[in-house]
Amino acid sequence: GEDVEQSLFLSVREGDSSVINCTYTDSSSTYLYWYKQEPGAGLQLLTYIFSNMDMKQDQRLTVLLNKKDKHLSLRIADTQTGDSAIYFCAEIPLYNTDKLIFGTGTRLQVFP
Amino acid sequence: EAQVTQNPRYLITVTGKKLTVTCSQNMNHEYMSWYRQDPGLGLRQIYYSMNVEVTDKGDVPEGYKVSRKEKRNFPLILESPSPNQTSLYFCASRPLLVGNEKLFFGSGTQLSVL
Repeated sequence: GEDVEQSLFLSVREGDSSVINCTYTDSSSTYLYWYKQEPGAGLQLLTYIFSNMDMKQDQRLTVLLNKKDKHLSLRIADTQTGDSAIYFCAEIPLYNTDKLIFGTGTRLQVFP
Repeated sequence: EAQVTQNPRYLITVTGKKLTVTCSQNMNHEYMSWYRQDPGLGLRQIYYSMNVEVTDKGDVPEGYKVSRKEKRNFPLILESPSPNQTSLYFCASRPLLVGNEKLFFGSGTQLSVL
């Protein structure tokens, strides 16, 4: 089956690191993505990782992929108030590369 | 500016009154898709299209129709809206390239069906 799960909320203090977690059940996924949705806006791609990689770093963002546990995480270093948004992980399963399956979304709240 | 444009941004209607949400992209993308976003459920795909005159059902197609007569436009049609179709709708597009599945999203349409 295909199911991508995330915790609904995360609250962090400005300057701390945030870690947003995602678990998925379809181990045959090809690409895994992190999208950011700011209030009143559509989703924007933050970063992605190919399934044969374990880690990808992009400035303040670090993506970790544990294929054995089917676990994807997004770490945001030095979290800022502008990082407050909903974050969605998404996967493309190998059985249907036309399809992008989204997680339930994690609302990140950054407080001063 | 490269973008996906949806209209309207907000729509309030009554049960049974047909409506259309328009979506247009100026990036010459082959692939276009409609999603609905509901609290605790994330984004669920309604319909998608790989090219002109080619459309396929997503995960939640019931109660919706789409058409793809031109490459740039992909309207979402609700023939007889019901309250359970109250949701936030997003249109998205991308090129049809393997390994480049970055989706470009519109700003969303908040639909309320009374």
